[in-house]
Amino acid sequence: SQKIEQNSEALNIQEGKTATLTCNYTNYSPAYLQWYRQDPGRGPVFLLLIRENEKEKRKERLKVTFDTTLKQSLFHITASQPADSATYLCALDLGTYKYIFGTGTRLKVLA
Amino acid sequence: NAGVTQTPKFQVLKTGQSMTLQCAQDMNHNSMYWYRQDPGMGLRLIYYSASEGTTDKGEVPNGYNVSRLNKREFSLRLESAAPSQTSVYFCASRGLAGVKLAGELFFGEGSRLTVL
Repeated sequence: SQKIEQNSEALNIQEGKTATLTCNYTNYSPAYLQWYRQDPGRGPVFLLLIRENEKEKRKERLKVTFDTTLKQSLFHITASQPADSATYLCALDLGTYKYIFGTGTRLKVLA
Repeated sequence: NAGVTQTPKFQVLKTGQSMTLQCAQDMNHNSMYWYRQDPGMGLRLIYYSASEGTTDKGEVPNGYNVSRLNKREFSLRLESAAPSQTSVYFCASRGLAGVKLAGELFFGEGSRLTVL
C-alpha cells in the first residue's frame, strides 16, 4: 500500500540543539517533497520544497535532504528555539495536482 | 492580505443535517483543495479543482460535494452529515499553472465541524 510515515509522534529537544525529523514514503515517485509547519488551531504554513533531482536545500536555520533511492527526506532545524515548537508535516507533490501529507511530527523545544 | 478565508470557523450539526463550508482566495490562484484532518490520520484530500470549471475526487470524497463557483471560490457541501464527518476541514490554494511546476499550498485557518 502507499503510505508516508513521519518518524515519531513527538520529539523533545533542548534549546540550541539540532532537531532532525524524518519522512519516509513507499510506492510513490514524487516530483517534489515539501515541508510545512502547523501550530495548534491553525492551518499549515509552507516552509521549504525540494525537487527530486536535488539532494539538499537550505533556508536560514532549516535544511532539507531528499534521497529518492531510500525514499526518505530529513528536515533539520539548527540552533533550535522554543518558538520552533510546532507540528511539522511532510507532503509529496505527485505532479498531478495532488499532494499527499504525512501525519506530522510534533516538536517541542525545551528552554 | 487575507490569503485563503474559510467560513464558518466552528459548526455543530446534528446527524442528517446539511451544510456548506465556504472558501475564498484572493491570490488569483488556479487550483483549490479541500482537506480534512483527523488525529493520527494526517491531512486527507477530499476534492480538488485544478482550474476554474473543473473538479476531481481525492482520497475521501464520499459524503461530500464541491462547487468551484468562480476562480476565487470553492465550496464543500455535506448533504447529510454523519458523525464520521466530525473533523477539521482545510481549504487550500496553489498558484502555479501547470502540473509539472512546483507550487506550495496556501491554507486557510480551518473549519471545525462536529456532527452529533
